[in-house]
Amino acid sequence: GAVVSQHPSWVICKSGTSVKIECRSLDFQATTMFWYRQFPKQSLMLMATSNEGSKATYEQGVEKDKFLINHASLTLSTLTVTSAHPEDSSFYICSAHTGGNQPQHFGDGTRLSIL
Amino acid sequence: RKEVEQDPGPFNVPEGATVAFNCTYSNSASQSFFWYRQDCRKEPKLLMSVYSSGNEDGRFTAQLNRASQYISLLIRDSKLSDSATYLCVVENQGGKLIFGQGTELSVKP
Repeated sequence: GAVVSQHPSWVICKSGTSVKIECRSLDFQATTMFWYRQFPKQSLMLMATSNEGSKATYEQGVEKDKFLINHASLTLSTLTVTSAHPEDSSFYICSAHTGGNQPQHFGDGTRLSIL
Repeated sequence: RKEVEQDPGPFNVPEGATVAFNCTYSNSASQSFFWYRQDCRKEPKLLMSVYSSGNEDGRFTAQLNRASQYISLLIRDSKLSDSATYLCVVENQGGKLIFGQGTELSVKP
């Protein structure tokens, strides 16, 4: 079946560090990928839609200069949390569509902890 | 008001019980509907899609009522392994998934 790989799975960094998270579709091409964030005891919230070859579209309240998204190929989207602070600590998950009416497939998620 | 609302939970039930999850959504233009389960500190995994005609997969039955914008999930003969958080999810235009806050289920022996 379709697989989405996310890396790294766990990051612990000092405040002020920038962190890059990769999301890869392993056996299909994804023109669109999605990035979500989940704080403890809360549900997943869509942050942005990553479009291959064009700019990402961000949800209301998500700072595009803080969360840089690059979707340079049909199998890879990256999310960079720039100058991360403790309040950015969260579980970041990507997903991708195989197309048509198929449900989305999620990556394993990245647990980010900023000290 | 949240776009997708679920029972707050948690539900604590004995093995073998029947459990019902309820969900309402506010966007009448929502296109697709799903139930996902999420285990602690893991990514959500698709449990089943939900159709207006209702659909069943083993012990799991899902229903959609578009007129009342209501989605349900029924788990029969619950197992210990069913313990998880159940997420009601709607898909809007452009493939955007909107998640409910989740209902935690704990099945006890």
